[in-house]
Amino acid sequence: NAGVTQTPKFQVLKTGQSMTLQCAQDMNHNSMYWYRQDPGMGLRLIYYSASEGTTDKGEVPNGYNVSRLNKREFSLRLESAAPSQTSVYFCASRGTGTPNYGYTFGSGTRLTVV
Amino acid sequence: GIQVEQSPPDLILQEGANSTLRCNFSDSVNNLQWFHQNPWGQLINLFYIPSGTKQNGRLSATTVATERYSLLYISSSQTTDSGVYFCALTGGYQKVTFGIGTKLQVIP
Repeated sequence: NAGVTQTPKFQVLKTGQSMTLQCAQDMNHNSMYWYRQDPGMGLRLIYYSASEGTTDKGEVPNGYNVSRLNKREFSLRLESAAPSQTSVYFCASRGTGTPNYGYTFGSGTRLTVV
Repeated sequence: GIQVEQSPPDLILQEGANSTLRCNFSDSVNNLQWFHQNPWGQLINLFYIPSGTKQNGRLSATTVATERYSLLYISSSQTTDSGVYFCALTGGYQKVTFGIGTKLQVIP
């Protein structure tokens, strides 16, 4: 099915470990996003990529890096995980022009850092 | 940046009841979207509605951009409507702001 695919769905890391969250979309969208969701705080933007080859910081970028590998794929890397990065991470993509201007979200990655 | 306020923060409904969720925002926006996050965490696109009114089954939404608010109506609520409803806005290019959501519980 068309949409946004995130891997893995669950992950437990020890403090200081690194990992990469993968995201791919097959809707030919230009823009891709990484959000984190914490209880009572809604979704906060970590990084986004307006188009292939560009990335920009969002609201909470510290401790993260991203790579827009190609138009389909946008990865999020934690170089040295901290307990404060325990969260649910969502990848999203967005097209341009009606009717595709809205967001489509992946199913999320639940990350626990111990 | 844009401020987004959703109300009420929590809502409990008897199955079959109607409800209205509100999203107020502080500045002009390019687009507004409503999402439902189900109890399993999945975020579902409900409406892309920068202005005007749209309907999809028992759900409808109205955005009055000049007055900076949007309303989501749920009629004849069902237990499957439970979850958190978010509105999200884009003001300037790529500046996206989510509200903190309205948590809805529909009880049989």
